[in-house]
Amino acid sequence: NAGVTQTPKFQVLKTGQSMTLQCAQDMNHEYMSWYRQDPGMGLRLIHYSVGAGITDQGEVPNGYNVSRSTTEDFPLRLLSAAPSQTSVYFCASRSRDRSQETQYFGPGTRLLVL
Amino acid sequence: AQTVTQSQPEMSVQEAETVTLSCTYDTSESDYYLFWYKQPPSRQMILVIRQEAYKQQNATENRFSVNFQKAAKSFSLKISDSQLGDAAMYFCAYRREKLTFGTGTRLTIIP
Repeated sequence: NAGVTQTPKFQVLKTGQSMTLQCAQDMNHEYMSWYRQDPGMGLRLIHYSVGAGITDQGEVPNGYNVSRSTTEDFPLRLLSAAPSQTSVYFCASRSRDRSQETQYFGPGTRLLVL
Repeated sequence: AQTVTQSQPEMSVQEAETVTLSCTYDTSESDYYLFWYKQPPSRQMILVIRQEAYKQQNATENRFSVNFQKAAKSFSLKISDSQLGDAAMYFCAYRREKLTFGTGTRLTIIP
């Protein structure tokens, strides 16, 4: 298993540009989430999904869109990038099975918005 | 909303010694999970240990153990026989439905 994969690893955007951060998992996990990590702060939840076709907002959803058309993929879209969105983004997944509570994280995407 | 507080932004410990990282949380729920994650310079989030709230016994994973005090809403991490590879950011996290993180503690190991 590849686990949770994220692309790209690093991206530079100009203010106003749009882009999609990709996330995929091959563990057939129902739950997937996107977090952002800023200096001096822990990870904050942006959006999450409990299954294909179902998404919901987290703590800091503004400026981001998500969709979940398949179990495997959970892309995060920045519609119009702003410098405040400069951060490290982590995708994570876990099983709905309560006996499998571990959340698996991807390696992260560093985003710089100029 | 649940909150997780790590009051020690930085800690240091001599190699081979023991260090304890503090974490408190706020919740009105009785059934939840608590986690400690390690984040080395590579930025990869690595699960260190987890605790189910309904279990009174403290979780242990090799040199890592927790002191879970449910009534006090406290969840500290003890690292025994500290090694250079333990140097990292450590995040405490709470989860009932969504995972909520503390702000982290940077642990430095002194050779």
